[in-house]
Order: sequence, then structure tokens, then C-alpha cells
Amino acid sequence: DAGITQSPRHKVTETGTPVTLRCHQTENHRYMYWYRQDPGHGLRLIHYSYGVKDTDKGEVSDGYSVSRSKTEDFLLTLESATSSQTSVYFCAISDVFSETEAFFGQGTRLTVV
Amino acid sequence: DAKTTQPPSMDCAEGRAANLPCNHSTISGNEYVYWYRQIHSQGPQYIIHGLKNNETNEMASLIITEDRKSSTLILPHATLRDTAVYYCIATSGSRLTFGEGTQLTVNP
Repeated sequence: DAGITQSPRHKVTETGTPVTLRCHQTENHRYMYWYRQDPGHGLRLIHYSYGVKDTDKGEVSDGYSVSRSKTEDFLLTLESATSSQTSVYFCAISDVFSETEAFFGQGTRLTVV
Repeated sequence: DAKTTQPPSMDCAEGRAANLPCNHSTISGNEYVYWYRQIHSQGPQYIIHGLKNNETNEMASLIITEDRKSSTLILPHATLRDTAVYYCIATSGSRLTFGEGTQLTVNP
């Protein structure tokens, strides 16, 4: 299995509080991604990174920010959590895109109450 | 990225081949077709990808039509553990855009 770890795996937080999710990889892959998945739906891309300090928005980036200060870590921050951000969050990594696959973490289940 | 269309659900008998179709009629020449699956609530798992030619690996075969407007993922001998949501994705860039996928249920 690819070395990708998400933390925490589960979190309950209150509306309006900041929350940071961490994705850590040991594969030295260039690309890192954050997705969210809501019940009965496919994954939607929040933000992604194509290198240290290089990030870009995905299709559902509002209310989220990211940072990547080193190759192995990609942080997702909810500045002020809302109930609509209750979801399962997946991190993914990939290297040379068309030549290799993306590897996904096990997910973080976030509940905003 | 080209839009992909998949049936929402399919059933297959254990031990038989599962053939999952995907339509990507607007695919461009440099877009690859990727297949991933998601078992229960785990992170998606890569299965196979291709550009023009048919591909086979230890998990599955990918058949892409000559005009590249559709493809079929084949699981040659489906087992109960193959029950999952299967996603077909067409992309040329560094991002994977997931649709709703096909829920494949393998029955005993």
C-alpha cells in the first residue's frame, strides 16, 4: 500500500470553529489532492497541489484553504466550519499523472454540529 | 475533462464476467480513460487506465472502442469482494473528476 496517512480519522467539531485536516505521504509524489464525499455521491475535488507552495482550486473550494510547505504534507483548513461541511474527506497522491495511478487515503469523517 | 456516463447499478453472478460500460463521447485525443472502484466507504482504488489500446492487468481488462467514445471494464471472474462502486474517468490533466459511478453487486 502507498504510504499515505490522514489525520485525524474522525472528528466532531462545532459550527464556527476552525478545523485542520492533515494528509501525510512517504512516497515523494508531486501531486496531492483533497476530495470530499457526501452520502450517495461521488468524490468532489476541493483543492489540489502540484508542488511545494503550488496549489489550485477544485470544483468545491469555497470555505476551504490549503497549504503545502513541504512535499510530504498537505493541510486542508476549514476556516469556520459549517454543517454543510459535514462529510468524509479523502486525500490522494499521484506522481507522473498519465503514467501512474493516484493513491487514496482511508478518509477523515468530519461532523460539524 | 470529458463527461462520462455510466449506468447507476448492475448485478453480476459470482464467477461470471462483469462488464461495466462507460460512455465518453466527447473525449479528446489526449484524454486517458481511468477506472477506479470504491469498496464500501474506503478510499477509491485504482483499477486500470488506457488511451487507445486495450489494456489488461491482474485485476481487469479495459476495452476502448476504436472511436474512443466508449469503453468497457471487464472483471473476468467476479467475486463477492468485487461488490463496489466503479468510477470511469476521462482526463488529460492532473485531476480526477468523479461522477456517480456504477454500483456493481456481485451475487452468490
